[in-house]
Amino acid sequence: GDSVTQMEGPVTLSEEAFLTINCTYTATGYPSLFWYVQYPGEGLQLLLKATKADDKGSNKGFEATYRKETTSFHLEKGSVQVSDSAVYFCALSALNRDDKIIFGKGTRLHILP
Amino acid sequence: DVKVTQSSRYLVKRTGEKVFLECVQDMDHENMFWYRQDPGLGLRLIYFSYDVKMKEKGDIPEGYSVSREKKERFSLILESASTNQTSMYLCASSPRGGYTFGSGTRLTVV
Repeated sequence: GDSVTQMEGPVTLSEEAFLTINCTYTATGYPSLFWYVQYPGEGLQLLLKATKADDKGSNKGFEATYRKETTSFHLEKGSVQVSDSAVYFCALSALNRDDKIIFGKGTRLHILP
Repeated sequence: DVKVTQSSRYLVKRTGEKVFLECVQDMDHENMFWYRQDPGLGLRLIYFSYDVKMKEKGDIPEGYSVSREKKERFSLILESASTNQTSMYLCASSPRGGYTFGSGTRLTVV
């Protein structure tokens, strides 16, 4: 079945460091891919998405490119801030009728000032 | 902005109680979902619904049921709460292609 694998955390970085969180997927067909973020005490928020191969999703300085050849959707940010500390979830959806989204297990990110 | 509202942020219930978790969305979305979130396990789908009075089992439906009598409201029911149902419960709704989540209900069963 479809699945998402993302790097385990926690990831700890200093402010202004470069961030990469790896995500790979297994799916039949051409799913849409997402990154969600969960700040402490809150629900998940959609951070960015890409719906087809070579699409780049971007938001708040974060980027991820849909790589069909490597089945990957790695999240990157050039200069992280303390306020980026959160849990990040990679996810996919086959956009079938039921619209289910399959999530990775999440990566906790700590940014030190 | 779409709003998904979960009725309680924190709940404490006793073993064996019947528990209702309520979720309401205000954007006429067809699809609604209930997940639970546990450390190390990520989000696991309990039930979902793509229309009024329709429901489908997710990956871990045992011990739960749902009700969707109106399009905007999707209720999760724990028929007889057990300690292993202590968790964070997240509701989401979507038109298609991306969910909007509620803030979550942290349920503790003692």
